[in-house]
Amino acid sequence: GAVVSQHPSRVICKSGTSVKIECRSLDFQATTMFWYRQFPKQSLMLMATSNEGSKATYEQGVEKDKFLINHASLTLSTLTVTSAHPEDSSFYICSASNRGHEQYFGPGTRLTVT
Amino acid sequence: TQLLEQSPQFLSIQEGENLTVYCNSSSVFSSLQWYRQEPGEGPVLLVTVVTGGEVKKLKRLTFQFGDARKDSSLHITAAQTGDTGLYLCAGVSSYGNNRLAFGKGNQVVVIP
Repeated sequence: GAVVSQHPSRVICKSGTSVKIECRSLDFQATTMFWYRQFPKQSLMLMATSNEGSKATYEQGVEKDKFLINHASLTLSTLTVTSAHPEDSSFYICSASNRGHEQYFGPGTRLTVT
Repeated sequence: TQLLEQSPQFLSIQEGENLTVYCNSSSVFSSLQWYRQEPGEGPVLLVTVVTGGEVKKLKRLTFQFGDARKDSSLHITAAQTGDTGLYLCAGVSSYGNNRLAFGKGNQVVVIP
């Protein structure tokens, strides 16, 4: 149980384009989903927290207009990186939680912006 | 901001040896979680410790939560090559919003 998927696993896009990453909880309903980014040899940095049906809460320093988060249902959240630039290249990981403290992580999405 | 410091950052040992890694903070956490992450994958939850002084065992892995709920340790007995990975500790915020604060991780390499 507690399986979270992400799609795509890898994406390469050109600078200036937008990329959408999906995060799905496959066997449970996720009241809260979290989006993280991770640079090489670094830890996970929380970008935003989203609750189903409400606006996401962004961490300090994360541009909400650049990283659009939509938590449309209890099993799906999407992160759209708008007007991507090379510095947005990173490993993006989502996690899902159902009221408890434990978060279950997806396998991550490797974004490369050329 | 609740910060977690993990040490050592990197550890290389021979198969069969024992090792201990640490996760320390000046903050109190309602609970603390340990994850293992392999390259190119998301973290996988190993254990959650909640009570100060709690000890949990997962096969050859022993997790301990400090009495004051500020620190934790992970001890691996008779390490195997499959134990290689990045071990991340994460503290559950005491502010009640379920946010996790991650340490930078302990990179463990077990050499056959």
